[in-house]
Amino acid sequence: GAVVSQHPSWVICKSGTSVKIECRSLDFQATTMFWYRQFPKQSLMLMATSNEGSKATYEQGVEKDKFLINHASLTLSTLTVTSAHPEDSSFYICSARGWGYGYTFGSGTRLTVV
Amino acid sequence: GEDVEQSLFLSVREGDSSVINCTYTDSSSTYLYWYKQEPGAGLQLLTYIFSNMDMKQDQRLTVLLNKKDKHLSLRIADTQTGDSAIYFCAETPGGNMLTFGGGTRLMVKP
Repeated sequence: GAVVSQHPSWVICKSGTSVKIECRSLDFQATTMFWYRQFPKQSLMLMATSNEGSKATYEQGVEKDKFLINHASLTLSTLTVTSAHPEDSSFYICSARGWGYGYTFGSGTRLTVV
Repeated sequence: GEDVEQSLFLSVREGDSSVINCTYTDSSSTYLYWYKQEPGAGLQLLTYIFSNMDMKQDQRLTVLLNKKDKHLSLRIADTQTGDSAIYFCAETPGGNMLTFGGGTRLMVKP
């Protein structure tokens, strides 16, 4: 079945630094990638949608300059949290969708900004 | 709040059946999904149902869809302790992105 690999699983960074999270589709071509954010005991909130080779479409209220999304290839999308602050601490999950493949989720990245 | 609504919590005894309910909003959703999330993990697709179906059964899982009331349910037969997790229903308004419910935390007592 379809597999999406997300790295790192967890990361701790200092306030003001940037963190990059990778999401790879291992056995299919991901024409669309979705990035979600999940606060403790809450549901997943869609941050942005990206199609390969195009700029990401951000949801209302999500700062595109703070959460940089790159989807340069059909198997890789990255989310970079720039100048991270403690309020950015959260669980980030990617999801990939490709031709003939439904929504497949990565295992998530827990970001803690100290 | 979310457009897709679920009850927050369900507690059952091992061996009993669990029924998790969901009310969605978009009648144009082609598929409706159920996902399972264990602590600190991503989402695992459990099952889905096509919008022109009323019921789908997959081993211990039964999905019921009432399009008139926009109501979706997931029944887990013979619930086990390993079924303890958060369960999310999701719809696909517009056919592209998933919109999730708030999640139902299922606790299975031995």
